[in-house]
Amino acid sequence: NAGVTQTPKFRILKIGQSMTLQCTQDMNHNYMYWYRQDPGMGLKLIYYSVGAGITDKGEVPNGYNVSRSTTEDFPLRLELAAPSQTSVYFCASSLAGGINEQFFGPGTRLTVL
Amino acid sequence: DQQVKQNSPSLSVQEGRISILNCDYTNSMFDYFLWYKKYPAEGPTFLISISSIKDKNEDGRFTVFLNKSAKHLSLHIVPSQPGDSAVYFCAASVPGNNRKLIWGLGTSLAVNP
Repeated sequence: NAGVTQTPKFRILKIGQSMTLQCTQDMNHNYMYWYRQDPGMGLKLIYYSVGAGITDKGEVPNGYNVSRSTTEDFPLRLELAAPSQTSVYFCASSLAGGINEQFFGPGTRLTVL
Repeated sequence: DQQVKQNSPSLSVQEGRISILNCDYTNSMFDYFLWYKKYPAEGPTFLISISSIKDKNEDGRFTVFLNKSAKHLSLHIVPSQPGDSAVYFCAASVPGNNRKLIWGLGTSLAVNP
């Protein structure tokens, strides 16, 4: 049982490049989340999903896109990377919403130069 | 506007002593609160939670106290151990709205041997 896995662990992008951050969970959780954490800051919700085929915006969705075609996978797409997207990105999953424990992946550290 | 506030960015305590981490909130609709612990280069992990219908929840060395009238909660760690050194995040959940979590900025705890 691997829990929540994220790839890659680190990535450096040039301004204007695109990439997809991968997230997979093997706990059959319905809810999945993408957060970003900037230095010295808390977690900001980018997008979330309550099940396959259903996604919704969080607090900071601009510059990102998501899809949820399966229960297990929840990729985050960055289009036209900007320096403001330099951050650590965490994927999480939970059985249901906020009163349920969220399980986090190890994070992806992204730098946009 | 920070709805969940952790006003102490850092805290240092001696091994064996009590650690008290504080969290204040502004939204009286929050009905569930969670504490997460985060080590460097890892994702947050769930520590303990409390419903707004309770004023205390205990799990081993960890106790969370909730004072609804003051909109304040605290996490007590007794006795503190060096392995408790981490960043602690307070998070709160509102009924409905798919129960997303609102996160504080975190408090970095250092437990000195």
